Amino acid sequence: KNQVEQSPQSLIILEGKNCTLQCNYTVSPFSNLRWYKQDTGRGPVSLTIMTFSENTKSNGRYTATLDADTKQSSLHITASQLSDSASYICVVTHSLGGSQGNLIFGKGTKLSVKP
Amino acid sequence: EAGVTQFPSHSVIEKGQTVTLRCDPISGHDNLYWYRRVMGKEIKFLLHFVKESKQDESGMPNNRFLAERTGGTYSTLKVQPAELEDSGVYFCASSQAVFEGYTFGSGTRLTVV
Repeated sequence: KNQVEQSPQSLIILEGKNCTLQCNYTVSPFSNLRWYKQDTGRGPVSLTIMTFSENTKSNGRYTATLDADTKQSSLHITASQLSDSASYICVVTHSLGGSQGNLIFGKGTKLSVKP
Repeated sequence: EAGVTQFPSHSVIEKGQTVTLRCDPISGHDNLYWYRRVMGKEIKFLLHFVKESKQDESGMPNNRFLAERTGGTYSTLKVQPAELEDSGVYFCASSQAVFEGYTFGSGTRLTVV
C-alpha cells in the first residue's frame, strides 16, 4: 500500500533552536517528494521538491534531504523563528502518468516554536 | 498575481442540507484540483480538471458530490445532501501544467451538524 508516514506528530521547540522532521514512504514507483508548510487557516505552501536523483535541497533556513534507497526524507529547520510554527506536510508523487490523483500526503508534523 | 481563492472560508450546515463550495484558480491555470482533509487524517485527492473536463475523479467519495468547472475558469463542488462524515477542510489547487508546482487555496472548512 502506498503510504507516507511522518514523525513526530507534533514538536515544540524554543525559538532559535534547530529541528528535524522525518518522512518515510512506501510509494512505488516514485516520482518526486515535496515538503509543504501549512499555516493555521491557510493552504499548504511548497517549500521544496526533489526527484529521486537529488539528495538535498535548501530553501533559506529549510533543508530537505532524500534517500531514495531507504525511502526516507527529512526536513531540517535551522535557527527556528516564531513564524515557523505550522504543520509540515510530506507529499510523495506516485509516478503513474497523468493524474494528480497520484499525490500521497502524509498527515503532517505540527511544529510549535515558543519564545 | 492573485492566488487561488476559495469561498466561503467556513460553512456550517445541517445534515441533509446542500452546500456549494467555490474555487477561483490562478488566471491561466488549466489544471484545477480539489482535495479534502478530514479531521485527523491526511489530505486526499478528490478530482482533477483540465480546463472544463474532468481528467480524474477517482477520489470523489460518492455521488452526493458533484464538481463542475463551466467554461474552464472557476469550479464549484456541491455536496447534496450533506452527511456528518463530509465535515472537513476542502482545498482547491491550480497549476499551469500537471506535475508542476501548484498553488493551494486557503480551504473551506465545512462542518455538518
